[in-house]
Amino acid sequence: RKEVEQDPGPFNVPEGATVAFNCTYSNSASQSFFWYRQDCRKEPKLLMSVYSSGNEDGRFTAQLNRASQYISLLIRDSKLSDSATYLCVVNMGTASKLTFGTGTRLQVTL
Amino acid sequence: DGGITQSPKYLFRKEGQNVTLSCEQNLNHDAMYWYRQDPGQGLRLIYYSQIVNDFQKGDIAEGYSVSREKKESFPLTVTSAQKNPTAFYLCATGGGGDYQPQHFGDGTRLSIL
Repeated sequence: RKEVEQDPGPFNVPEGATVAFNCTYSNSASQSFFWYRQDCRKEPKLLMSVYSSGNEDGRFTAQLNRASQYISLLIRDSKLSDSATYLCVVNMGTASKLTFGTGTRLQVTL
Repeated sequence: DGGITQSPKYLFRKEGQNVTLSCEQNLNHDAMYWYRQDPGQGLRLIYYSQIVNDFQKGDIAEGYSVSREKKESFPLTVTSAQKNPTAFYLCATGGGGDYQPQHFGDGTRLSIL
């Protein structure tokens, strides 16, 4: 089983749609969780941290379920500019090392 | 202008050659990391350093070497022992403790000539 697992997609959605990505992680000792966004041939950029209580940043909502070892990202009112690959990232509890999922690709269309 | 600077953006390696990728930061972060990304794959950790003059191997350190003589700098050498070096190399820094996110430079694309 991969340490961090994501559906690779692609998810093709029309502008204005709501889309949800899921991620599961294998290590129950994991301490911190993040979503990054990566545009084609660019570096990953931090989208948001994920907190136990769930958190929202504008159109983006992240949820964490520690019991099921599951993280989600919800994007409301999708924009063309949201087209990118979304990486689920987990600190597995070892120093400051992060483990990256392979990413879920989102394509928003007119 | 604060941030992480990687150079060069593109690099070509000849057979049997060692090449060095530069990573410089002015964020005053203690921790620095090198990752490799292959198409369709997640980032894989090559080496990391949590403090000057100390570094640890990541998951795929074979064929690579690093140094950390200054806080600001963490160069990565891709040696001739790395038989499949073609990839996108990303340097990252982390500050403020174990559970903080990392921030990336804009990467170096390495190809074989």
